[in-house]
Amino acid sequence: DTAVSQTPKYLVTQMGNDKSIKCEQNLGHDTMYWYKQDSKKFLKIMFSYNNKELIINETVPNRFSPKSPDKAHLNLHINSLELGDSAVYFCASSQRATGELFFGEGSRLTVL
Amino acid sequence: KNQVEQSPQSLIILEGKNCTLQCNYTVSPFSNLRWYKQDTGRGPVSLTIMTFSENTKSNGRYTATLDADTKQSSLHITASQLSDSASYICVVSATSGTYKYIFGTGTRLKVLA
Repeated sequence: DTAVSQTPKYLVTQMGNDKSIKCEQNLGHDTMYWYKQDSKKFLKIMFSYNNKELIINETVPNRFSPKSPDKAHLNLHINSLELGDSAVYFCASSQRATGELFFGEGSRLTVL
Repeated sequence: KNQVEQSPQSLIILEGKNCTLQCNYTVSPFSNLRWYKQDTGRGPVSLTIMTFSENTKSNGRYTATLDADTKQSSLHITASQLSDSASYICVVSATSGTYKYIFGTGTRLKVLA
């Protein structure tokens, strides 16, 4: 059983399109995250949700909109995609604020 | 400002050799420090956790150390294997503040046959 699963794993799309990445965790964790990993492999926090409530909303363009229908799911929708959005996006979860982070396998987004 | 710095940025060693990765942090108040391993094309996976009172902890061929006074940690890999080729990320957790996880920039390790 996959603990944190995200889909799709690969996403290739044209500039200006809208796309979504889905994430689900079956660990019963309260907190979920979206991270962006750039070409230098640095992981940067984008959003954090605790029990469906937004607790971290980092300085990202408002084209990025997270949605948490329940505490096991955190989806990421991106409008009007730009070339600079190309990256690997990781979903993660943790039981508590300083607990171990469990990451999904990543979703590689390529904007052409 | 809470920061985590790792060195070296990248490292190439021969199979069977040992190596040590470094992590320096200025995170306060400190909660714990974890080393994560990220294989190419995969998500990071936790290797070990160090709390304030722990100096050394081993997980197979991986041994982590923590010096809370100097705010330094190291990850020592013994008898390296090809499968150790990965990025190793040091993540320090703070007990307060909005950003509970402060990530290092990682060390990319390449083990050659």
